[in-house]
Amino acid sequence: GAGVSQSPSNKVTEKGKDVELRCDPISGHTALYWYRQRLGQGLEFLIYFQGNSAPDKSGLPSDRFSAERTGESVSTLTIQRTQQEDSAVYLCASSLITSSAQYFGPGTRLTVL
Amino acid sequence: AQTVTQSQPEMSVQEAETVTLSCTYDTSESDYYLFWYKQPPSRQMILVIRQEAYKQQNATENRFSVNFQKAAKSFSLKISDSQLGDAAMYFCAYRSAKYSGAGSYQLTFGKGTKLSVIP
Repeated sequence: GAGVSQSPSNKVTEKGKDVELRCDPISGHTALYWYRQRLGQGLEFLIYFQGNSAPDKSGLPSDRFSAERTGESVSTLTIQRTQQEDSAVYLCASSLITSSAQYFGPGTRLTVL
Repeated sequence: AQTVTQSQPEMSVQEAETVTLSCTYDTSESDYYLFWYKQPPSRQMILVIRQEAYKQQNATENRFSVNFQKAAKSFSLKISDSQLGDAAMYFCAYRSAKYSGAGSYQLTFGKGTKLSVIP
């Protein structure tokens, strides 16, 4: 079946603008995760959804970052007033709640000029 | 908090040979999962293999196998008969098995090992 998809693939924005990144998880996966990967680094956890609720937002770096999920499907990560340090690849993953394996999308590369 | 350490930033292997990538982790939990992910230049994170901590038997997936040493908190990945398509960044990751509050279900990653395959 279809894997996790993310859009856009690449996003270039100016400092101070808001951006929205989208994630479509694997059908039937109730858990959804957002991670950030800075250049040459491992992944940093941002937020976890179980259904439409977010029991774990502990990784969000500031109040400029927010995320929502609707219909136990699509999720949107919003970054307000972007800063140059927000430049990174943002990866989304999904999993069955009963399974430990997380399956990743191809990511969105965000560049803040 | 759990930490994952990959001490080899870069490795290389001759095509058809075997290579082992190292990973150590630190945790006070007894029940958890360990993973190896592959990230080629396309940046798609691909699950290679996973290990449940309660299982003593080492996981295997075709040419990929692990050496899981729970007491030593070591989780190495062995790639046999290396192929050009194995060239990628390899990340070791940890996840708790039980929910105990914020951070429980997140994957904690090491910094990765870049594997080159020499024809």
